[in-house]
Amino acid sequence: SQQGEEDPQALSIQEGENATMNCSYKTSINNLQWYRQNSGRGLVHLILIRSNEREKHSGRLRVTLDTSKKSSSLLITASRAADTASYFCATEGGSEKLVFGKGMKLTVNP
Amino acid sequence: DGGITQSPKYLFRKEGQNVTLSCEQNLNHDAMYWYRQDPGQGLRLIYYSQIVNDFQKGDIAEGYSVSREKKESFPLTVTSAQKNPTAFYLCASIPSPPRGNQPQHFGDGTRLSIL
Repeated sequence: SQQGEEDPQALSIQEGENATMNCSYKTSINNLQWYRQNSGRGLVHLILIRSNEREKHSGRLRVTLDTSKKSSSLLITASRAADTASYFCATEGGSEKLVFGKGMKLTVNP
Repeated sequence: DGGITQSPKYLFRKEGQNVTLSCEQNLNHDAMYWYRQDPGQGLRLIYYSQIVNDFQKGDIAEGYSVSREKKESFPLTVTSAQKNPTAFYLCASIPSPPRGNQPQHFGDGTRLSIL
């Protein structure tokens, strides 16, 4: 079963612009995680936000979580061509199992 | 460097054949996971193991089998009962369940195709 749903499904921007991705989910969670996947590779963990947190930063990444709306957003500031990848949100409900969304493809044009 | 190694990178299966995908980790992690990724579908959980000699079915376990005889190894067998095995398979691990709030570490995947 897929819980997270990323929006938009694809985004194309110019280098230097900001990219915002949204994730909606359906049930209560312990935490929400964002991952990046380069073409043909495994996933790389970006950031984890717990259910009692509202915002978290890591370098050029900013994640927000609104548990009342069951949604999260990932903001990548000052994007680079190397940020081109697919991005996934995943929720953990307390069982150490992650439920992934379908992913969002980001293209950053140089 | 510690990490997860999946092999082979590409694998081809003939009709009626069982094939085994390897996943080895040197991170000393307790829990390991197998996911299947189809285009546009995201990742779906096949099997997971939180401790040696124990494993649990995920959402799409039919047609697959696993073993966990050693902490560092979690091989996945795609049996002939899996009628649509063409996909990208990913292995992941976390340090120590059930602490919670632990990100998963992933290998680089095995792409399985039908001959």
